[in-house]
Formats: sequence, structure tokens, C-alpha cells
Amino acid sequence: GNSVTQMEGPVTLSEEAFLTINCTYTATGYPSLFWYVQYPGEGLQLLLKATKADDKGSNKGFEATYRKETTSFHLEKGSVQVSDSAVYFCALSDLTGTASKLTFGTGTRLQVTL
Amino acid sequence: SAVISQKPSRDICQRGTSLTIQCQVDSQVTMMFWYRQQPGQSLTLIATANQGSEATYESGFVIDKFPISRPNLTFSTLTVSNMSPEDSSIYLCSLRVVGTGELFFGEGSRLTVL
Repeated sequence: GNSVTQMEGPVTLSEEAFLTINCTYTATGYPSLFWYVQYPGEGLQLLLKATKADDKGSNKGFEATYRKETTSFHLEKGSVQVSDSAVYFCALSDLTGTASKLTFGTGTRLQVTL
Repeated sequence: SAVISQKPSRDICQRGTSLTIQCQVDSQVTMMFWYRQQPGQSLTLIATANQGSEATYESGFVIDKFPISRPNLTFSTLTVSNMSPEDSSIYLCSLRVVGTGELFFGEGSRLTVL
């Protein structure tokens, strides 16, 4: 079946540091890939997505590239801010069948300090 | 995008009672999904709520424990029945965007069972 593996957290960085959160996946076919973010006390929000190989999703300074050869979708940001502190979930969407389901990774907590 | 409203946003419940969570969306959607996020864990799909037919449950979830209603294309309810402390979770309603597989989430209903 489908699965998503994320690096374990928490990840603690100083403001303006470079961020990488690794995500690899196992899936049949050609899934769409997503990063969701959950800020403290809030629901999940879509951060970015990529729907085919070599696509780069980007939003709010975050980027992730759909790498089919390495089955990866690593999240990066060049300079993090305190406001980026949140839990980040990598997910894939299986579009086979009559309903697409999202399979989530376990989430990576990011803590950014001054 | 879509606006998804969930009620209640949080509740504290007694063991053995049942609680119904409501999900209202601002547009007509064919499929709505209910997820559970247990403390410190990732999201797990409970079931797909189909309008006009019975919900489709994922492995490990049964209708007697999590009955779902879907009376129309903009509304769904999830009931958590005969609650135990293990049911303490955030329950999230979501809907799927046709074509990309992207899901939008409500802010979630945080249940604490004593």
C-alpha cells in the first residue's frame, strides 16, 4: 500500500537558518504530493503541492520538488522565521478508484527560536 | 478554495456518552471525508461520506462506533459513540477538489474524553 515517511522531529532552528524536512514515499502509479502545515491550535492548511514528476511546489518561501527517481518530496526554506513554528505533514493522494485518499506522514514539528 | 465549518470546535465528554460533530461547507461537494488525529500522531482516515449512500469505512473503523450522515451535498455529521478516553482526538472534516486530489480541511473538533 501507499506510505509516507518523514524525518522525525522536533527540528529546532534559529531564525534565518536553512530548513530541510525530508519526505519519501511509496506508492503505485503517479500520486500527487502535498505538504500541509498545522500551526498551534489550528487545523491543517495546504502549504504546497506537486502533481507530477519534476514539478516544484512553492508557497510562503517554502519549496518542494517531486522527485520520482528518488521517490522524495523534501520541504525546504532558505530562511525560517519564528512564525514558521508548526507541525509539517507530507502527504500523497492516491487518485485511483472512486475516491482519492490522502496518506499522511507522521508529521515533523519545527521550532524556530530567536 | 472552500470554507469548511465544524462544530463543536472542542468539547470535554464523559466516558460512555456519544457526541455528534457537524461539518458544513460553503459549496456542493460529492465526497467528504472524516479524519482522526490522535495526540501527537498523524491523520488517519475514518471514512468517506457519500451523499445518498452509506459511508465507506476504512479498516479498523466501524459504523456502530462512528455513524456518519450525509443528508445533502453541503453537510455531514460524524458521531463518536460510547466514548472512551482512547477516543480523545481531533476529528477533522475534509473535502476533495476534483482533479488534483487536494483536500481542504476544517479546523477540527478537539474531543477530550474523561
